[in-house]
Amino acid sequence: QSVLTQPPSASGTPGQRVTISCSGSGSNIGSNYVYWYQHLPGTAPELLIYRNNQRPSGVPDRFSGSKSGTSASLAISGLRSEDEADYYCAAWDDSLSGPVFGGGTKLTVL
Amino acid sequence: VQLLESGGDLVQPGGSLRLSCAASGFTFYTYAMSWVRQAPGKGLEWVSAISGRESTIFYSDSVKGRFTISRDSSKNTVYLQMNGLRVEDTAVYYCARSDEVRFLEWILWGQGTMVTVSS
Repeated sequence: QSVLTQPPSASGTPGQRVTISCSGSGSNIGSNYVYWYQHLPGTAPELLIYRNNQRPSGVPDRFSGSKSGTSASLAISGLRSEDEADYYCAAWDDSLSGPVFGGGTKLTVL
Repeated sequence: VQLLESGGDLVQPGGSLRLSCAASGFTFYTYAMSWVRQAPGKGLEWVSAISGRESTIFYSDSVKGRFTISRDSSKNTVYLQMNGLRVEDTAVYYCARSDEVRFLEWILWGQGTMVTVSS
């Protein structure tokens, strides 16, 4: 069981906006930055959002992140077929002295 | 600028393996390095991290006491010595780079190396 809680699946149609939630606690999300990764089978994960809401260069502005208290969310607008992937949230956990991940959300583009 | 893992193999339970992650194209000693794994059909799991100056090392509870992370700046390589391997350690192991251990901005990743623990 993961320290951070994500829905196991999400779906949307092309062009739609979808949101993936990530719930944690005061020792992780509540006191540290949240990061989001996209992971396609057979490839290395890709950083989508860092420090709660910042996008690395090259990541489309269709991807956005937010954080409130001990929860965070990733929003994907203008959904595209290539967005079909697994998405993970991550944060440093002060109690565990290490990073923790969510269990991952499999996004399906219908 | 790249990371290249090696050392993955098939090993019996209780066995040992050393993974390597060779860095190139950047100033290796200034960056923290982490190992992240993904077991078949499972999600991402952080394993271990080492700061740029080797002054700080962290392990997940699942590998503490069995795995050892180290780095050799003369070879621009970070290692993961894995002892007492268990079936549940079977996974693709990735190395990743960040500015600091606590900041999980893993922009640069290796391609992954497969570790299979089975009798």
